[in-house]
Amino acid sequence: KAGVTQTPRYLIKTRGQQVTLSCSPISGHRSVSWYQQTPGQGLQFLFEYFSETQRNKGNFPGRFSGRQFSNSRSEMNVSTLELGDSALYLCATSYGLQETQYFGPGTRLLVL
Amino acid sequence: GESVGLHLPTLSVQEGDNSIINCAYSNSASDYFIWYKQESGKGPQFIIDIRSNMDKRQGQRVTVLLNKTVKHLSLQIAATQPGDSAVYFCAENIGGGGADGLTFGKGTHLIIQP
Repeated sequence: KAGVTQTPRYLIKTRGQQVTLSCSPISGHRSVSWYQQTPGQGLQFLFEYFSETQRNKGNFPGRFSGRQFSNSRSEMNVSTLELGDSALYLCATSYGLQETQYFGPGTRLLVL
Repeated sequence: GESVGLHLPTLSVQEGDNSIINCAYSNSASDYFIWYKQESGKGPQFIIDIRSNMDKRQGQRVTVLLNKTVKHLSLQIAATQPGDSAVYFCAENIGGGGADGLTFGKGTHLIIQP
C-alpha cells in the first residue's frame, strides 16, 4: 500500500506570497492532520480534517488554513508568508479520528 | 502550558548495546502515547504506541514502558544497529491518536558508534 505523499517536496517563496501544499493520504485513511516542524519549536499541530470538516485546530494564526476534499486529499494554505514560516510541513493520516497517525515525507518551505 | 518533554537531546550508544530513550510528560489527562523515529530528510515513522491502561508493550526489538505515577515514558531498543540512528520523538494525546492533535516532545538524537 502506498504511503502518505506530499507535494511539492521543496518550495522557495518570498515574504508576502502565499503557498499551497498538498497531501494525499494512505488509501482508506480519512483523517488528515498537518504539523509544522522547526528546529526551535519542534513539531507543532496545525489542524486536522475528517470527512471534509476541520475537527480541531492548533495555536496558529488565521494565515494558516486548510481543506479536505471528498477523496480525503487535503491542502493547506499559508497566506502573506513571513520569514518565520520557513519550516518542514508534515501531513499525517489515519483511518479515523483517535487512531494512529502515519506521516508523509513533508514539504520543506523556505521563505526569503 | 503542559507539554511532553525529553530528558536528553542527544544519546550516544555503541552498536549492539541496548538504548533507552526517556520522555517525561506533564498532562495527567493524556491517555495515548506514541514513539516516532525521524531520519534525516524524512517524515516521522511510527514505531510503537501504548495506551494508559497498559504499562508495557513490546514490538520487534523495541519496548515501550509507561509509568503513570511519575508521568514517564521510555523507549528501549535492543541490540542497537546503525540503522537506528535517528531523532526519536515521544508524543501524547488525550482521547486517542488523532482527534486533538499530538503533542510532541523536542526529540532525542540517537547516535550509534561502531
